[in-house]
Amino acid sequence: EAQVTQNPRYLITVTGKKLTVTCSQNMNHEYMSWYRQDPGLGLRQIYYSMNVEVTDKGDVPEGYKVSRKEKRNFPLILESPSPNQTSLYFCATSPLLSNQPQHFGDGTRLSIL
Amino acid sequence: AQTVTQSQPEMSVQEAETVTLSCTYDTSENNYYLFWYKQPPSRQMILVIRQEAYKQQNATENRFSVNFQKAAKSFSLKISDSQLGDTAMYFCASLNYGGATNKLIFGTGTLLAVQP
Repeated sequence: EAQVTQNPRYLITVTGKKLTVTCSQNMNHEYMSWYRQDPGLGLRQIYYSMNVEVTDKGDVPEGYKVSRKEKRNFPLILESPSPNQTSLYFCATSPLLSNQPQHFGDGTRLSIL
Repeated sequence: AQTVTQSQPEMSVQEAETVTLSCTYDTSENNYYLFWYKQPPSRQMILVIRQEAYKQQNATENRFSVNFQKAAKSFSLKISDSQLGDTAMYFCASLNYGGATNKLIFGTGTLLAVQP
């Protein structure tokens, strides 16, 4: 079964405490991406990766880092989280430059106090 | 810049009735795709329907259909015979095919409530 797995699903933490949200896919997709969803703003792209060791900024990259050391994994790193990063986060994957719809993970609700 | 606009923050419909959600977009590309995603209270992002811009025929998936007006850059979603399970946030999104990224551009969403 095609899956995009995000962990954790929920996290409440405090300002400045580093955290990582993991994303793993089993579809051998080259393209992976992170979005954040905020009320009234829809989903906005944070970072994306076209393949292993190839990453680039999306529309709202400030305060985030990513890495792509393996094809299946694309973790989102918040080195020093702040309250304005409280949001719902989605990982999405697809074949590269494809018309196939993107597969989304189930989302991670982050609350930064 | 590519943009997607959903002008209806909230809508309500009676069960078994028909409702239309509006979406307009702006792109300078010729090859693009348009999507409607459903997000129920479980927060999952579920693809409802997609439309290739080069196709004139409107896409249909069971009770869901679109009215794609390319010249007007309009892409509305019609839900027929609305069911309680259709209650969700609906996002319109566009994707440039063959562009530098696979980035989806999302609208701000329409919260649909189906009333019994």
